Amino acid sequence: RKEVEQDPGPFNVPEGATVAFNCTYSNSASQSFFWYRQDCRKEPKLLMSVYSSGNEDGRFTAQLNRASQYISLLIRDSKLSDSATYLCVVRVSGSARQLTFGSGTQLTVLP
Amino acid sequence: EADIYQTPRYLVIGTGKKITLECSQTMGHDKMYWYQQDPGMELHLIHYSYGVNSTEKGDLSSESTVSRIRTEHFPLTLESARPSHTSQYLCASSEIGAANEQFFGPGTRLTVL
Repeated sequence: RKEVEQDPGPFNVPEGATVAFNCTYSNSASQSFFWYRQDCRKEPKLLMSVYSSGNEDGRFTAQLNRASQYISLLIRDSKLSDSATYLCVVRVSGSARQLTFGSGTQLTVLP
Repeated sequence: EADIYQTPRYLVIGTGKKITLECSQTMGHDKMYWYQQDPGMELHLIHYSYGVNSTEKGDLSSESTVSRIRTEHFPLTLESARPSHTSQYLCASSEIGAANEQFFGPGTRLTVL
């Protein structure tokens, strides 16, 4: 079983749609959680950190459920420029290797 | 934009050649990392460093080696390239601290013929 699992998609949605991505992690010692965005053939970039209380950044909302070991990302009013692969990333407490990346969920926003 | 650079961006080379992938950052970050990523697949950590003269192997076994003689520089070397080494190699850096963002370089796309 992978340490971080995501629905690979692809998600093809029309502009203006709301789309939600889910991610589960297997290690209960996981401490920090992030969503990264990776454009095609580009490097990953931090989209947002995920806090226990949930957090919002404009059209993006991230939530964490520690009991279910589940993280979500909600994108409202999706734009063409949101098309990318979204990576769920987890850091395990005390882990020397730092971050574990999911394989990503591919999103394409259609005009 | 992150100040982390990788060269070359693309490399096509024959089997058996020795190659060095360069990575430099000007942010003064102590931690640096090398990841390997095949198309459509997740990133796998192959090496990391906590600072000068510190290097550790990551999750994915790799025949490559790294060195950290200067804070800003973290080169990766393959003594004898093989077709199985064909992949994208991404360098990253971060500050000390649990929740600090990792900044990625643009990557080196390596093809070994």
